Amino acid sequence: GAGVSQSPSNKVTEKGKDVELRCDPISGHTALYWYRQRLGQGLEFLIYFQGNSAPDKSGLPSDRFSAERTGESVSTLTIQRTQQEDSAVYLCASSLDGRANVLTFGAGSRLTVL
Amino acid sequence: AQKITQTQPGMFVQEKEAVTLDCTYDTSDPSYGLFWYKQPSSGEMIFLIYQGSYDQQNATEGRYSLNFQKARKSANLVISASQLGDSAMYFCAMRDRQAGTALIFGKGTTLSVSS
Repeated sequence: GAGVSQSPSNKVTEKGKDVELRCDPISGHTALYWYRQRLGQGLEFLIYFQGNSAPDKSGLPSDRFSAERTGESVSTLTIQRTQQEDSAVYLCASSLDGRANVLTFGAGSRLTVL
Repeated sequence: AQKITQTQPGMFVQEKEAVTLDCTYDTSDPSYGLFWYKQPSSGEMIFLIYQGSYDQQNATEGRYSLNFQKARKSANLVISASQLGDSAMYFCAMRDRQAGTALIFGKGTTLSVSS
């Protein structure tokens, strides 16, 4: 596609439920990144994919967070047993490859855990 | 230790004036890249400008320029002739070999441009 597409744009869930956030990167971009942005804060790196593999998962905050990427395209970030501190905007970005200088970001998925 | 520091939580400027947004960084890697992104209220992150650690000249992109002072480890963003549409959050970011491919972001500076 023309840009990075994320869905849902907004998600409200109850504490303890699982959520899935989806990212469609720019076609042909092999590198894909997930970041978390809490209200009024900077971006926290979560995970990086090169193709379908995730060489860097260092930012995942707990084992409740997981991500996968299939077919060098769509990626899904899953948060199990959501907690209120998971409330944030989750941003996805893609780039031509892991050495490219420019990341193109999606508009984000705003998650609110009640 | 914080790798990217943006000390100005908020900046105010009038239209047509220039403004400098501060950014200092910390790395022991001689090879690194510095980035600035803009985040308007819509939430999307927009790439503005890039400076490589070995680049001889300061990067410029239209009204944006990067005042790169390697010895001071600073990479300030200069916006000339501010416009109302420049009102947004601005993030400085760095990539070095320790960080791998990920960009490490600062906490951001909110810029407000008034008429």
